Amino acid sequence: NAGVTQTPKFQVLKTGQSMTLQCAQDMNHEYMSWYRQDPGMGLRLIHYSVGAGITDQGEVPNGYNVSRSTTEDFPLRLLSAAPSQTSVYFCASSSSGLVEKLFFGSGTQLSVL
Amino acid sequence: AQSVTQPDIHITVSEGASLELRCNYSYGATPYLFWYVQSPGQGLQLLLKYFSGDTLVQGIKGFEAEFKRSQSSFNLRKPSVHWSDAAEYFCAVANYGQNFVFGPGTRLSVLP
Repeated sequence: NAGVTQTPKFQVLKTGQSMTLQCAQDMNHEYMSWYRQDPGMGLRLIHYSVGAGITDQGEVPNGYNVSRSTTEDFPLRLLSAAPSQTSVYFCASSSSGLVEKLFFGSGTQLSVL
Repeated sequence: AQSVTQPDIHITVSEGASLELRCNYSYGATPYLFWYVQSPGQGLQLLLKYFSGDTLVQGIKGFEAEFKRSQSSFNLRKPSVHWSDAAEYFCAVANYGQNFVFGPGTRLSVLP
């Protein structure tokens, strides 16, 4: 069972570069989300989606774009990377309806120089 | 706005000792509460959750947590810690819309 798959696991960018973090789930979950994890701050919600074609902002959306063209995929785009976006990024998914547990990917460690 | 505090940044216990990790939340209605564990280099794994009913909930790996509405707390406990429990633990609160708010985490170290 693949669950939630994130790629890449590690990435180094230069300031101003763009890139896309990939997230895919094979559990037919309607809800998908992106978090960033920074020391002493826990996980903070960047963007989320409750279904294909529907996305919304979380707590820290600035500098990030998302789209949800299929149920399975929820990519996160950094249009112009900044050092403040150095972090560990986690994608998570769950079934819709009542609050359910989140299934997390293994994370992407991003460094912006 | 929802918020979660975990007063202890780092806790060290000896193997076999009991453990209690503290969590306090701020939320206007009855919250959905969770504890997640993160091993180094891994994503988060659900330990247990509270939605309603019995305020003492049992989770995986021998963990339990007690919801105390009067104290706005949801502390995690384990009677006897194993070396493999060394990890970072996150308390989280969620609303019906499934957006989670996580605490800053407590790192647990276990001495042999």
